[in-house]
Formats: sequence, C-alpha cells, structure tokens
Amino acid sequence: GAVVSQHPSWVICKSGTSVKIECRSLDFQATTMFWYRQFPKQSLMLMATSNEGSKATYEQGVEKDKFLINHASLTLSTLTVTSAHPEDSSFYICSARKGAGGTEAFFGQGTRLTVV
Amino acid sequence: GENVEQHPSTLSVQEGDSAVIKCTYSDSASNYFPWYKQELGKGPQLIIDIRSNVGEKKDQRIAVTLNKTAKHFSLHITETQPEDSAVYFCAASLGGNEKLTFGTGTRLTIIP
Repeated sequence: GAVVSQHPSWVICKSGTSVKIECRSLDFQATTMFWYRQFPKQSLMLMATSNEGSKATYEQGVEKDKFLINHASLTLSTLTVTSAHPEDSSFYICSARKGAGGTEAFFGQGTRLTVV
Repeated sequence: GENVEQHPSTLSVQEGDSAVIKCTYSDSASNYFPWYKQELGKGPQLIIDIRSNVGEKKDQRIAVTLNKTAKHFSLHITETQPEDSAVYFCAASLGGNEKLTFGTGTRLTIIP
C-alpha cells in the first residue's frame, strides 16, 4: 500500500509562534500534495494544493502568508502556520496522490494543533 | 465547482446487518469516486474507490455502486462488525491530480 507520514501527530504552541508540519510520502513520489483542515465533527476543508517545485494553490479564503506551504521534493511537503493564534487550533491533514496521473489519494495521520 | 452531498449524517445498524451510505455529485465531468473511513483522531483511510467507466466494484464486505446518469454513488457494507464503527466520507474528483471534493460525512455506529 501507499504510506503518507505526517509529523508531528500533535503539537502545542504559544500564541505568536510558528509551527511547521511535515508530510512525507514514504513509498511513492507525489508531485501533488494537499493540505486540509478539519474542525470537530465536520468534513475536511481543502486549504491548498501543493505542487512540487512551484507555488502552492490556495483555496479562497485561506491566507497565503499565514499558512506557508513548501513542496521542495517529490516526497516532502511542509505546512507552516505562522504567528499562530488560538483560532488556528485544529486538526490538519495532508494527502498525496499516487499512480500515473495521480487519482488514488492517501492521507497522513493528521496533526492536532493547539495554540495556547 | 463540484458539490457533493452525503446522507445520512448518522446511521446506527445492528451488528451483522447491512449499511448503505449515499452520495450525489453535481459535476458530470467528475470521474473518480473514493470512499474513506476515518476513526477518531486519525486521518482518513481509503477503503474503496470507483471510476466512471464501471458501475460497481466490490471488495469483500464492501461494495460501491455508481450511477453516472443520476450522478449518485453509494457505499454498501454487509455483515457489519463493531470495528466498522467510524465516520465515512465520500468524495468526487476529476481524476489525475485534481482535488477531491468531500461529502459531509456519515457517522456509522454498529450496535453489538
């Protein structure tokens, strides 16, 4: 199967600090990765599409300067929440698509961010 | 853009019975329809998917059906077990590396 590893699985940070979340495809290359945010008992909300070697494409309403995405290699994408505030507390999940032309999407285990 | 609706939002089923979750989509160009199972505190797990060139796909106790004309697809779980209890999400996509649009989720509870 395809494995997507996300790190850390949980993090607590102080208001005003920045937090970096890593997403790695362990056994396949992913030219495209996706970052989602999920509130309790709700569906996944797409934040941005991360493209290897180019700028991320953000969904409407998502602040580019607050949620920095870097996709430096075919197996690693990072999401940095800058100047975090309590309202940024959430469950963040990444996914990567596998196969020729993508299609099958596999998800990381998620990162629980708590800003205090 | 694509819009995916999912029903029901909650579903309780006696162990051993079948469970059915239904989704509809709006974009007739969508051609890839995966189903995910999400347990508490974890990321979604792909359990089955179907492409628009087939009408049904089965994997042991899990099956998915697709009606392209009506733009709806369904997840069928037979002989349900307690470990099937989770939140299930359907999704639709144009395929390739296009983004997935998710349904709102169904919380399935299997009653022992």
